[in-house]
Order: sequence, then structure tokens, then C-alpha cells
Amino acid sequence: SQKIEQNSEALNIQEGKTATLTCNYTNYSPAYLQWYRQDPGRGPVFLLLIRENEKEKRKERLKVTFDTTLKQSLFHITASQPADSATYLCALGGTGRRALTFGSGTRLQVQP
Amino acid sequence: KAGVTQTPRYLIKTRGQQVTLSCSPISGHRSVSWYQQTPGQGLQFLFEYFSETQRNKGNFPGRFSGRQFSNSRSEMNVSTLELGDSALYLCASSLQDSLQETQYFGPGTRLLVL
Repeated sequence: SQKIEQNSEALNIQEGKTATLTCNYTNYSPAYLQWYRQDPGRGPVFLLLIRENEKEKRKERLKVTFDTTLKQSLFHITASQPADSATYLCALGGTGRRALTFGSGTRLQVQP
Repeated sequence: KAGVTQTPRYLIKTRGQQVTLSCSPISGHRSVSWYQQTPGQGLQFLFEYFSETQRNKGNFPGRFSGRQFSNSRSEMNVSTLELGDSALYLCASSLQDSLQETQYFGPGTRLLVL
């Protein structure tokens, strides 16, 4: 069955550094991949979408890569700030299928 | 534009009871999806409604059901509650049928089953 893996351990980095989060998947051929941010007690908030034929997408300090050969997406936050501290979820969507499949998320903690 | 709203925000029930949760999507959004989020299982898809029709269903028992009204508002019902149903239930809306549809989530309803 399809499986999405995100690092379950929290990622702690210093303010100003680049945070890199990983999303690996198996038994899946997604048409697109999305990244969401979730703060405690709140619903996820959409950040970026990248399609299977795109290698990289950027939005302000955020960058997402998508490698369908490695079956992996990397999510980068440059010049990280304490306000970036949250849990980040990746979600995969398939052609003809409406339901997104979410990873369990990685918690990012940016230290001032 | 107002975001997705969910009511109630918190709920405590006992085993065997049933519960109904409500979701109002963003104005103009016709698709509503429901998810269950637990620390152990993460975010799991329950079902999705579009124009009052259930289009997609996740791998949950029949105790979990839902419906959508003509104004796109949606309800989900869980009957015969079990302790394992304790979770954050999230509703998400999207504009229309698209392969690359962004989900706009509500704040969730936190359900505790005792």
C-alpha cells in the first residue's frame, strides 16, 4: 500500500539558517504534491503545490523540489525565523483521485 | 472572505453515544472533505462531498457518515462512539473539481470520547 514518510523527530535549527524537511513516498505515483503548515490547535494551511513535471517551485522564502525518480520532495525555508516554528505536512494527490494522502508531519522549531 | 468554520470546537462524549459535527465551507466552495487527525495515525481522509454527492470515501467503518446540503454546508456523524474515535476532526473546502485543488481547512472539532 502507499506510504508517505516524513521525519517524525522534530527539527531544531537556529534562526537565520535554512530548514530542510523531507517527504518520501513509496508505492505511489502522485500527479502533484502539496505542503501545508499546521500550528497547534489549528487546521493545516496550504503553502505550495508542485506538479509531477516540475522540478522546483519557489514562493518567497520557501522552496520545494520534487524528484519522482527518488520519490522524494524536499521543502526548504531559507532565513528561518522563530515564527516559522510549526508542523509541516506533505500531501500527495493522484490523477483522477480527489483525496489527498497526508504524511504525519515534521515539527520544526526555530531557535532565536 | 470568511474562512471555513466548524462547530462545535470541542466536544466530550461517552462511549456508545453518537455525535454530529458541522462544517461551513468558504463561500462559493462546493467541495467539502473531512479528515480525522490523531497523533498516531496523522491526517486520514474520511470522505468528500461535491454538490451534495459523496464522491470519495476513505477507509473508515460505516459508523462514520456524512452529508452535504444544497448550500454546501456539510455534517458528519459518528454513531456508537468508541474510545479510539477521540481525535481532531478537520473539514476542508475547495472551489471545484480540479486535479490540483488546494484544501482550505477549518480549525477543527476536538472530540474526546470517555
